[in-house]
Amino acid sequence: DAGVTQSPTHLIKTRGQQVTLRCSPKSGHDTVSWYQQALGQGPQFIFQYYEEEERQRGNFPDRFSGHQFPNYSSELNVNALLLGDSALYLCASSLRLAGRSTQYFGPGTRLTVL
Amino acid sequence: DQQVKQNSPSLSVQEGRISILNCDYTNSMFDYFLWYKKYPAEGPTFLISISSIKDKNEDGRFTVFLNKSAKHLSLHIVPSQPGDSAVYFCAASPGTGTASKLTFGTGTRLQVTL
Repeated sequence: DAGVTQSPTHLIKTRGQQVTLRCSPKSGHDTVSWYQQALGQGPQFIFQYYEEEERQRGNFPDRFSGHQFPNYSSELNVNALLLGDSALYLCASSLRLAGRSTQYFGPGTRLTVL
Repeated sequence: DQQVKQNSPSLSVQEGRISILNCDYTNSMFDYFLWYKKYPAEGPTFLISISSIKDKNEDGRFTVFLNKSAKHLSLHIVPSQPGDSAVYFCAASPGTGTASKLTFGTGTRLQVTL
């Protein structure tokens, strides 16, 4: 049973560029959440997708956007990259109809903005 | 304003002894709490959770205690093993009944020494 997978593993971009990160949820899961983890901090919630719609959003600017596909996989897009966007981006999947559902995390994508 | 706090950045425990990791929260809407373990270059791994209707949950060597009146929870690991050395994150979510967003603490680095 495949767990949550993310690609790419590492990414280096320059300020002003745009980036797309990808996530495939754990088999059987239908909800994908994205988190940003800066160095020395806990993960911060960016947004959550279910049924191809953004259902919840954290305190992140509109430069952060996402998408969920019919197969439940998801993308995170960040436009106009800033140095402060350098972080580990984590994807977590869960099963919405399970009620109190545990979120399972992927290995993350390390984004470095130069 | 940090709603979930882990005030001990690090903890060192001898192998075989008990490790106690603490977490405090301020948001009364939180009613589901989780502990995750994170190794370097990996995503957080779910360890154990507890609902606010309980005050204790046990899974093998791991036990989580919840004191709602004090808004405090703790993770006990007995006996501690060298493989337990990692960063431990406490997380909380509100009572929406769905896979809601998680709010994380800043983590406690546990080192289990021989």
